[in-house]
Amino acid sequence: DIQMTQSPSTLSASVGDKVTITCRASQSVDRWLAWYQQKPGKAPNLLIYKASTLESGVPSRFSGSGSGTKFTLTISSLQPDDFATYYCQQYISYFSFGQGTKLEMK
Amino acid sequence: EVQLLESGGGLVQPGGSLRLSCEASGFTFSSYAMTWVRQAPGRGLEWVSAISVSGYSAYYTDSVKGRFTISRDNSKNTLYLQLNSLRAEDTAVYYCVKDQGEEVGIGAFDFWGQGTLVTVSS
Repeated sequence: DIQMTQSPSTLSASVGDKVTITCRASQSVDRWLAWYQQKPGKAPNLLIYKASTLESGVPSRFSGSGSGTKFTLTISSLQPDDFATYYCQQYISYFSFGQGTKLEMK
Repeated sequence: EVQLLESGGGLVQPGGSLRLSCEASGFTFSSYAMTWVRQAPGRGLEWVSAISVSGYSAYYTDSVKGRFTISRDNSKNTLYLQLNSLRAEDTAVYYCVKDQGEEVGIGAFDFWGQGTLVTVSS
């Protein structure tokens, strides 16, 4: 099984900040990596797939990069609506998610 | 507009059974693989099961193999998950999820239902 590890687990930031979340895979997933945003009491929402492709309707301040075993999700200028929990997911070998990164207001 | 409407959750005793349903609309249901993902209270996301467009290929996470069965009825645009021999650790919100691709594993999860809560407790 492929294990996904995100860092940090919690991130405190302010509106306007640039933030980066890292996701590492226990073995190569090539670029079969997605990022999701989840707000309390809501279903997750797809942000990025194939490591760097922005899902339709997702603001351009979100970007993804990486390949193989190391990936990053970057929010270029944090907005109030972005405070949420973020998950990475590999889909090269079945599916597995990272443990999540909670982005909270500083 | 894509909509996924889950039903069938509830309170069940350990060892009991439930059948979850997910009614899909707004897209050609028979053209996409479908998935169930669960989330225990206060925990992260866990993939549970996936099914191909035809329904002939089904996949499960190890912890539910032999207890859960995924199926689909393309004529009714409905996805199912039969949960048997339920355990306390199966307590979670179960999400019905649409895959991007027509086969399992070639795409991410682009639409999610709002989820149905399954509580396993005596």
